[in-house]
Amino acid sequence: EVQLVESGGGLIQPGGSLRLSCAASGFTVRSNFMSWVRQTPEKGLEWLSVIYSRGGTYYADSVKGRFTISRDDSNNTVYLQMNSLTTEDTALYYCAREGDGAWFFDYWGQGTLVTVSS
Amino acid sequence: IQLTQFPSSLSASAGDRVTITCRASQGISSYLAWYQQKPGKAPKLLIYDASTLHSGVPSRFSGSGSGREFTLTISSLQPEDFATYYCQQLNSYPRTFGQGTKLEIK
Repeated sequence: EVQLVESGGGLIQPGGSLRLSCAASGFTVRSNFMSWVRQTPEKGLEWLSVIYSRGGTYYADSVKGRFTISRDDSNNTVYLQMNSLTTEDTALYYCAREGDGAWFFDYWGQGTLVTVSS
Repeated sequence: IQLTQFPSSLSASAGDRVTITCRASQGISSYLAWYQQKPGKAPKLLIYDASTLHSGVPSRFSGSGSGREFTLTISSLQPEDFATYYCQQLNSYPRTFGQGTKLEIK
């Protein structure tokens, strides 16, 4: 069974850093494109970043230079390192699978909540 | 690429036929997906490639369109269909989503 489980969210002060994890089971992350998406009531769903099967990455302008996506193939886990956090980064963060050449996000995790507040 | 969904909210009754529209700021061929989201849950894939029903999705859901304008139609609303619906373009990065359409019970 395919499953994605995010963790690492929490309360963090502005300017701080946090690393989110997305543990995958039922498939191998290195064979797929893996994305991070966040959601707020105000902005809805916002795509943030992808790591391609070959390891390349791409970022939304809103997080470029602050967030870094990576993966650990041995642990079948994808990460999102978030630095220089602001209150605008408060959101529910999801990881999602986009199969290589699939052009859709077929599996999503349950989300992990990040709250940036002093 | 920006996606504009309309209406942003919709009231309907069980058994009704409803249509949601998603318009892209530039052509995206057929690289469009539709998702359903219920409160407290992650989005769930309904349709991809504009008109292909994802495995396990009831046939009352259908999608159409190409280029810049797309529609999601639910032919006969069931109680479990009241949710928020999002479109997403996968023609290019950054992947973008519409702002959502909240479907409520009349």
